[in-house]
This record gives sequence, structure tokens and C-alpha cells, in this order.
Amino acid sequence: DTGVSQDPRHKITKRGQNVTFRCDPISEHNRLYWYRQTLGQGPEFLTYFQNEAQLEKSRLLSDRFSAERPKGSFSTLEIQRTEQGDSAMYLCASSKQLNSGNTIYFGEGSWLTVV
Amino acid sequence: SQQGEEDPQALSIQEGENATMNCSYKTSINNLQWYRQNSGRGLVHLILIRSNEREKHSGRLRVTLDTSKKSSSLLITASRAADTASYFCATARGKLQFGAGTQVVVTP
Repeated sequence: DTGVSQDPRHKITKRGQNVTFRCDPISEHNRLYWYRQTLGQGPEFLTYFQNEAQLEKSRLLSDRFSAERPKGSFSTLEIQRTEQGDSAMYLCASSKQLNSGNTIYFGEGSWLTVV
Repeated sequence: SQQGEEDPQALSIQEGENATMNCSYKTSINNLQWYRQNSGRGLVHLILIRSNEREKHSGRLRVTLDTSKKSSSLLITASRAADTASYFCATARGKLQFGAGTQVVVTP
């Protein structure tokens, strides 16, 4: 257990429905990251926050995706009007300032299946 | 887009053998990190090597970094069945960017 918790761990939803994932990072970490991973692939970067500011968003993050970190603590990732191609594991991670050599700690992921 | 590319994509060895996997990347980095992922689980950090370091050890792991060739290698010595997992390199420059990973299977 790295200390990063994600909820729910598994979600099955019908195409067109909205889903929301929550991530609680390690408490002293000011950076929070979201990644998406499909079978046989490495994690793909989606977005990251420093405190409550969203500093970068990947082009993978279409208009249907939105992430928030309202008080610089937990974060939510919402997917609107889900499509079958959204089926993946959504990973959350947190760290202190990265470039100084701090480690990123990952949660166990939230599996999304869109049927 | 993926920053790091691991090679080989898959590796099958017997317990006690060494496993070596390589990672190539494209742009300048602050550091490079290796992670392990067991099937269906999150990623576990293994080792970090800074851009000004050439080699680093942690237990049975040895990582090298060649910034002139933009490449790194991970060596697992005396492998165990519990080392069966996917291994990813990730380059750090503001955020981590991962390759597709090397799937390692260690048979007893």
C-alpha cells in the first residue's frame, strides 16, 4: 500500500453514462497525476496538478474528460458520455516536486469497463 | 506519445538467471525511473537514476544510464518467480512518461 487510494476500484457502466473516479494522494504531496493504461501498454499521461492548479493536460484528454483538485488535496476525474474506447485502467499518482528526484507513488488504479 | 521504449517486449527466463531489459528515450531528462507492475495492479517504484549518474544499485537491481545514447538498462540478478511482472522505464521532465514495458516471466 503506497498511501495513494483510488475509488472505486472497478466500475462497469453503459455507453453514454458519466463516471467519476476519486483519488486521495499521500497527504504531504503537492503534485497529483492521472494516467490511463490499456492492456499491454504503458501508462499514458493525462493530466497533473500542483496543489489545486492544473498545470498540464494531454491531448488525450478530450472535452469529455475533466479533472479537478479543488482544495489541493483529493482529485476527481470525470468522464462524460462514456464510449467503449474509454475502457481502461485509470491510475492516480502523487509526489513532491518531481524534477528534484522525488518518487511518484501510484495507487492501485480504477478499472473502467464500458459496455 | 510514449517517451521511453523498452526492449525486449517480453522475456522468459528460469529462476536464478539474470534478466536484462533496455530502455531508450528521445529527449533530455532530469532523471529516469524504473517501475514494476504485477498483473492488474498499480505500479511500484523500483529505482531512480539522475541524469548525472551512470550506475545505481538496489538489492538485486542494477540500473545504468547513458545520456549520450539516451538509453538505460535494468538488470535483475538471480531472478525469482516473484519477479514475474511488467517493467517500465519512465523519464521525468515535469511529469513521468512511460514506455510500453517489458513483460518478464520467471519460471521455477
